[in-house]
Amino acid sequence: QSALTQPASVSGSPGQSITISCTGTSSDVGGYNYVSWYQQHPGKAPKVMIYDVSNRPPGVSNRFSGSKSGNTASLTISGLQAEDEADYYCSSYTSSSTLGVFGGGTKLTVL
Amino acid sequence: EVQLVESGGGLVQPGGSLRLSCAASGFTFSSYAMSWVRQAPGKGLEWVSAISGSGGSTYYADSVKGRFTISRDNSKNTLYLQVNSLRAEDTAVYYCAKTPTFPKPLFDYWGQGTLVTVSS
Repeated sequence: QSALTQPASVSGSPGQSITISCTGTSSDVGGYNYVSWYQQHPGKAPKVMIYDVSNRPPGVSNRFSGSKSGNTASLTISGLQAEDEADYYCSSYTSSSTLGVFGGGTKLTVL
Repeated sequence: EVQLVESGGGLVQPGGSLRLSCAASGFTFSSYAMSWVRQAPGKGLEWVSAISGSGGSTYYADSVKGRFTISRDNSKNTLYLQVNSLRAEDTAVYYCAKTPTFPKPLFDYWGQGTLVTVSS
């Protein structure tokens, strides 16, 4: 059982927007602005899409955005494209252990 | 260009050992913390270990503490993970990842991964 809770799957049609949630506690997501989001295509290494809740690394499309409310962080992808179909993982700093924690992952299907 | 290339994975019997390596290039290796993140087949990501840029501080997940040892050789730009007393549940792809702002869970570059399979 992962420390952070994500929906197992989400789906959307091209052009639509989707949001993936990541729920933790006040010891991790809710207590710190240190949430990252990773995209992973099958057979590939993860790629950081968002860090520190809402910051985009250079080169990441502005269709990807992050936010947080209370103990839940969210990743929103707008203008869905076929290439966005992948697994998405959130991660957060936690005061409960020396290393951060990941969510269980969400499979995004572009219909 | 930043590159991370892992090696050393393979098939090993329960109780066995391996040493994983990660050769880094394209950045000042000694200036950054590095991590190992693993992914069991069909499962999610798990941060298993991290090490400071100097190598003086190391960190482990409870699931591997006492069995895995992370180290680095800054003269060779190489990160290591010695994995001992392996169990079936250690079967996973092991990724090395640059961790520029440890302890934040930000991994800005990843290797391609090396597969460790623990089976008799």
